Amino acid sequence: GDSVTQMEGPVTLSEEAFLTINCTYTATGYPSLFWYVQYPGEGLQLLLKATKADDKGSNKGFEATYRKETTSFHLEKGSVQVSDSAVYFCAPASGGTYKYIFGTGTRLKVLA
Amino acid sequence: ETGVTQSPTHLIKTRGQQVTLRCSSQSGHNTVSWYQQALGQGPQFIFQYYREEENGRGNFPPRFSGLQFPNYSSELNVNALELDDSALYLCASSPPGQTNEKLFFGSGTQLSVL
Repeated sequence: GDSVTQMEGPVTLSEEAFLTINCTYTATGYPSLFWYVQYPGEGLQLLLKATKADDKGSNKGFEATYRKETTSFHLEKGSVQVSDSAVYFCAPASGGTYKYIFGTGTRLKVLA
Repeated sequence: ETGVTQSPTHLIKTRGQQVTLRCSSQSGHNTVSWYQQALGQGPQFIFQYYREEENGRGNFPPRFSGLQFPNYSSELNVNALELDDSALYLCASSPPGQTNEKLFFGSGTQLSVL
């Protein structure tokens, strides 16, 4: 079945450091790919998405590129802020039923 | 426009009891999905409802059941609660006419089974 593997956390960075959170997936067909973010005490929010190969999703300084050949969708940000501290989930979705497969999440902690 | 709201926010039950969790979808959204998020894990898909019918189900036993009402609000029912059912239960709605698109999540119901 479909699955997703995310980089284990926690990831602790200093403010303005470069961030990469790795995500690889296995899926039948060509899923859409999403990154969701969960701030403390809140539900998940969509961060960015890509729906086909070589698409780049971006939002709030975060970027991820749909790499079909390596089945990856790594999340990057050039300069993190304390307010980026949260848990990040990679999620492919396919089949037309909104059945997302979420990774285990990567906790990011940014220190001032 | 109001977002997805869930109630209650916290709940404590004992093994063997039954529980009902409620979700009001975002205005105009006709699809509701339920997810279980155990501590330190990603959300796991339980099932989805579209226009009052179940439209997909994850790997959860039949004691997890649901309903969707004509106003698109939804309930998740869990019978014969087990300790492992302790988790954050998330409801997410999505708008009509789109496939594999953005989910709008509520803040969840934290269920503790003792």
